[in-house]
Amino acid sequence: GIQVEQSPPDLILQEGANSTLRCNFSDSVNNLQWFHQNPWGQLINLFYIPSGTKQNGRLSATTVATERYSLLYISSSQTTDSGVYFCAAALRRDYKLSFGAGTTVTVRA
Amino acid sequence: DSGVTQTPKHLITATGQRVTLRCSPRSEDLSVYWYQQSLDQGLQFLIHYYNGEERAKGNILERFSAQQFPDLHSELNLSSLELGDSALYFCASSVGGSARNEQFFGPGTRLTVL
Repeated sequence: GIQVEQSPPDLILQEGANSTLRCNFSDSVNNLQWFHQNPWGQLINLFYIPSGTKQNGRLSATTVATERYSLLYISSSQTTDSGVYFCAAALRRDYKLSFGAGTTVTVRA
Repeated sequence: DSGVTQTPKHLITATGQRVTLRCSPRSEDLSVYWYQQSLDQGLQFLIHYYNGEERAKGNILERFSAQQFPDLHSELNLSSLELGDSALYFCASSVGGSARNEQFFGPGTRLTVL
């Protein structure tokens, strides 16, 4: 199956800082999603982005499918951005999402 | 709020017992997926149903079973529970039958086996 690797594993930010999270995947995908898992365990959909660039407020994401990576940008970070960010990908003709191990983000006031 | 609902939110039970987790997908979705999140295994796919039919199985134990009903809600049955089954169980739904479609996750059921 597809391998999904995320980096860095941990990130500590000061409030107001910008950051970039990376997701590498081992094969061609037809689905790439970013999620934020909050401290209560809920998985929040951030982006559905098998290719291209999208923006939603202070968050944006870019997927370069030909080079098999995706980036999640957090700008002007806030303490509410703390949590674990997951990247998940699915191969063509597959039925499931395969998740990376996540990046744990801690934003300090 | 994703529109996917799961009950119960928390479940505490003993080893050897059987439990049922319930999921209602978004109103427009025909697919239901079950995932397990444990500390040592991360987030792993268990099983996928599309319009009442099983489409794919992942790392699902034989002690676990699932079904999707005509109204499209799904249930995950876990039996002969072991301590290692303690985990967060997520249900996700999507419109179509392939993983090309965006999946939306429910709030999860946290299972604790004592």
